[in-house]
Amino acid sequence: NAGVTQTPKFQVLKTGQSMTLQCAQDMNHEYMSWYRQDPGMGLRLIHYSVGAGITDQGEVPNGYNVSRSTTEDFPLRLLSAAPSQTSVYFCASSSGAGGLNEQFFGPGTRLTVL
Amino acid sequence: AQRVTQPEKLLSVFKGAPVELKCNYSYSGSPELFWYVQYSRQRLQLLLRHISRESIKGFTADLNKGETSFHLKKPFAQEEDSAMYYCALRLGGRREKLTFGTGTRLTIIP
Repeated sequence: NAGVTQTPKFQVLKTGQSMTLQCAQDMNHEYMSWYRQDPGMGLRLIHYSVGAGITDQGEVPNGYNVSRSTTEDFPLRLLSAAPSQTSVYFCASSSGAGGLNEQFFGPGTRLTVL
Repeated sequence: AQRVTQPEKLLSVFKGAPVELKCNYSYSGSPELFWYVQYSRQRLQLLLRHISRESIKGFTADLNKGETSFHLKKPFAQEEDSAMYYCALRLGGRREKLTFGTGTRLTIIP
């Protein structure tokens, strides 16, 4: 199993550009999430999904869109990039089964918005 | 709203000395607490969960509901323990959402 994969690893955008960060998992997990990691602020939840066709907002959703058309994929779209969105983005998935649920993280995408 | 506080951004400890990374939380219900670790150039991974009451890589963490704390401890630090550590809280029954603390960067001095 590849686990959770993310592409690209690095990206530089200009203010106003749009792009999609890709996330895929091959563990048949129900739950998928997007976090951003900023110095001194830890990881903050952007959007999450409890299954195909179902998404919801996290703590910092503004400026981002998500969709979940399949169990495997959970792309994150930046509609109009802003310098405040410069961050490292992590995708995570979990099975949602049982009380010992563990989130598995992808390797991250480092995004710079100029 | 739930909150996780890690008061130390940076912590340096000599090899062989005890380590304690502090984590406090605020939540009125029954939380699930976790410690995640991120080693250099590796992805974030689960280290401990309070439900399991396990010891991983010599680390333990006890949930103290009275003090609303979940401190991570290790009696003898090793150089490979140098990493970023995050305490996280999941609300009972809402497994897909984790609230993370701001993290503590642990450096073990040889």
